[in-house]
Amino acid sequence: DSGVTQTPKHLITATGQRVTLRCSPRSGDLSVYWYQQSLDQGLQFLIQYYNGEERAKGNILERFSAQQFPDLHSELNLSSLELGDSALYFCASSVAGRGVETQYFGPGTRLLVL
Amino acid sequence: DQQVKQNSPSLSVQEGRISILNCDYTNSMFDYFLWYKKYPAEGPTFLISISSIKDKNEDGRFTVFLNKSAKHLSLHIVPSQPGDSAVYFCAAGLAGAGSYQLTFGKGTKLSVIP
Repeated sequence: DSGVTQTPKHLITATGQRVTLRCSPRSGDLSVYWYQQSLDQGLQFLIQYYNGEERAKGNILERFSAQQFPDLHSELNLSSLELGDSALYFCASSVAGRGVETQYFGPGTRLLVL
Repeated sequence: DQQVKQNSPSLSVQEGRISILNCDYTNSMFDYFLWYKKYPAEGPTFLISISSIKDKNEDGRFTVFLNKSAKHLSLHIVPSQPGDSAVYFCAAGLAGAGSYQLTFGKGTKLSVIP
């Protein structure tokens, strides 16, 4: 158990809908990262938040947005969903004190868009 | 453009023998490298890391070697055990501008045969 929690574990929805994925980082970690893993793909970095502020953006679509709240949990919002958005979405956290750090991953949310 | 490549999608090894997983990268600015292990229906689990100032890091049965001139790293598992059967991801980090995002390879599925 990494200490990172993600809800829900599974999500089935229809095209055009909007969903929210939730992540709680490990106790004491200030940084949260979101990754997408599509079929036969590695993990693609989407976005990073540090202590409530956006720190870095990767290949995140404009239909996707995220935020980190004062209690450090984070939400990833996916809107106008398309079939191709079906994937595993992972959240990771790190202390983000100095340099590049080990990121600890949650169990993921499996999203299926029908 | 894939900056981190794991060219072998799968690898089979006999129990007790050595497993060698390889990873190549193209961005010479990467200064931190990690290996993660992933079981089905779970998030990636951190295994071992190495900084670019080192060429070897060891932790029990796991050793990571870094060859900066060749932009190549490898993970050695000795001896291999059936419980090591999983997908292994190589990741590289670039601590620039306070962003600690990781770039992942697509993974190598290791099967350890009893």
